[in-house]
Amino acid sequence: GAVVSQHPSRVICKSGTSVKIECRSLDFQATTMFWYRQFPKQSLMLMATSNEGSKATYEQGVEKDKFLINHASLTLSTLTVTSAHPEDSSFYICSGAGNSYEQYFGPGTRLTVT
Amino acid sequence: GDSVTQMEGPVTLSEEAFLTINCTYTATGYPSLFWYVQYPGEGLQLLLKATKADDKGSNKGFEATYRKETTSFHLEKGSVQVSDSAVYFCALNRPTGTASKLTFGTGTRLQVTL
Repeated sequence: GAVVSQHPSRVICKSGTSVKIECRSLDFQATTMFWYRQFPKQSLMLMATSNEGSKATYEQGVEKDKFLINHASLTLSTLTVTSAHPEDSSFYICSGAGNSYEQYFGPGTRLTVT
Repeated sequence: GDSVTQMEGPVTLSEEAFLTINCTYTATGYPSLFWYVQYPGEGLQLLLKATKADDKGSNKGFEATYRKETTSFHLEKGSVQVSDSAVYFCALNRPTGTASKLTFGTGTRLQVTL
């Protein structure tokens, strides 16, 4: 199957700082990318959907000014958590979909805000 | 809105035991149903899917049948192996002609012992 990478796999940052997470499709062009958040022992919750070159569509309750999503190319999307706080600590997972519409998932990024 | 409910884990089985992980859904219309698997340290991988009622998805010895009358999509395997130890997610989406968002269950951790 197609491969999606995420970087970093783990990050620890101080409260009030911003952190950027990269999601790359390595061997296919991802026209659509999704960003999910997963709390311990809970479902993956969709945060936003982005199409290359367009503004992301955020799910209800997700602050677009706090979680900045950029999908500037067909192989790269970034999620920036701005002014992070401890409640933003979570596991963030991206996925990409190309022409087949099947989603291919990255391995996730563990964010810890101290 | 759409939702997916799956049995809580962890599920612990001996090798060669029979596996069932229950999944039920709530959705209007005719969603597509999926099982994803997440091995330790890796991203989610599509295990199998079914797109209409009475369809059976199968892969690597795993099976699940789309039962509209009971709104269920239970995952089964006749003889599990240690290598099947992972977290299994049931999910649904609404095919819209483009990649559409997935609604996930909480995941069920399977541990297979010798």
